[in-house]
Amino acid sequence: GESVGLHLPTLSVQEGDNSIINCAYSNSASDYFIWYKQESGKGPQFIIDIRSNMDKRQGQRVTVLLNKTVKHLSLQIAATQPGDSAVYFCAEGDPNGDYKLSFGAGTTVTVRA
Amino acid sequence: DAGVTQSPTHLIKTRGQQVTLRCSPKSGHDTVSWYQQALGQGPQFIFQYYEEEERQRGNFPDRFSGHQFPNYSSELNVNALLLGDSALYLCASSFGQGPDQPQHFGDGTRLSIL
Repeated sequence: GESVGLHLPTLSVQEGDNSIINCAYSNSASDYFIWYKQESGKGPQFIIDIRSNMDKRQGQRVTVLLNKTVKHLSLQIAATQPGDSAVYFCAEGDPNGDYKLSFGAGTTVTVRA
Repeated sequence: DAGVTQSPTHLIKTRGQQVTLRCSPKSGHDTVSWYQQALGQGPQFIFQYYEEEERQRGNFPDRFSGHQFPNYSSELNVNALLLGDSALYLCASSFGQGPDQPQHFGDGTRLSIL
């Protein structure tokens, strides 16, 4: 299950299963969070974002959950597909820094056929 | 609608040289940010340009400088290159600087220092 504050650098998922990627952020002043997907040889690709006045936001096959109390957010991918294999980064934007982004270490997701 | 484009895609330099990287933002975007991504790590913020001015700067030395042109395109310059400057340099563009305006990234310039 999901462990608050635990960041796993790698995640192996069976095709068709749901994926959960965790991220702990550091700046309690941050009020904007983004998830990016980066494939080999490419730049980060925007997936979904969320403001701190929300706990949950859904997109196409993805859901982001934000827990401000423990400074943790997660990305859930439904029905994981081989094309979802990539490195996933969470990033936080600090309103005191004109929302420049600070990135986490990244989680490498590998989808097993 | 073209996304963020960067040039060149790859570059090899030697220590002590200078390099200029270029970025064209996504159509409609006016803010450009530069990031350095070392192998196996997340991108690190270098600086951000808005209205042709540097608005925010990360923890990078003065050897790193930039410029934004009236058409919103941008350049990143690095002087006196060090081996540790080898990395993927990413440009990201957005409209304005606030939230709800996600930054969109180009595919980067891979810089190798020999």
